Amino acid sequence: EAQVTQNPRYLITVTGKKLTVTCSQNMNHEYMSWYRQDPGLGLRQIYYSMNVEVTDKGDVPEGYKVSRKEKRNFPLILESPSPNQTSLYFCASSTRTGGNQPQHFGDGTRLSIL
Amino acid sequence: RKEVEQDPGPFNVPEGATVAFNCTYSNSASQSFFWYRQDCRKEPKLLMSVYSSGNEDGRFTAQLNRASQYISLLIRDSKLSDSATYLCVVKWSGGSYIPTFGRGTSLIVHP
Repeated sequence: EAQVTQNPRYLITVTGKKLTVTCSQNMNHEYMSWYRQDPGLGLRQIYYSMNVEVTDKGDVPEGYKVSRKEKRNFPLILESPSPNQTSLYFCASSTRTGGNQPQHFGDGTRLSIL
Repeated sequence: RKEVEQDPGPFNVPEGATVAFNCTYSNSASQSFFWYRQDCRKEPKLLMSVYSSGNEDGRFTAQLNRASQYISLLIRDSKLSDSATYLCVVKWSGGSYIPTFGRGTSLIVHP
């Protein structure tokens, strides 16, 4: 089954404790992206990747890192999480950015930073 | 910054009603358009792409108006299960086709 898999689905942690949210897709998609979603603010892009070893900042990259060492994986790293990073996070992928290619989303990760 | 604007709603409609949402975009070079549906605390899911000539999928009709730079979504015979947030997505070549999401329009269908 074609899917985007995020882990963990839920995480409660404390300020300053490094964490990684994994994202994996099995569709051989070139483009992958991370979003955060907060009430009243909609989906905001954190980072995106056009292909292996190619990553770029989105609208709200501060406090986050990403890597794209393999095509299928695009982990989101919070080196020193803070309470303002408490949010619902989505990973998404698509075949390429151009044309009429929709994105496929993971189930989401709900992070709470205390 | 290129923007995609939606009325957040909520739109409260009775079952069976017809409801329409618009989404305006600021970049005339926009090339690809989509409507996504998002249920509370769930991931967005593609509802339908929007084609230049307009397209229909069952009770859902999507239209593109390039002159006025908006897309629309029409839902006929609303069902309780249509209650969700509807997200508009736009891509343009100048933005490397990176999708830009609207903030969504909330629809509540009541009995």
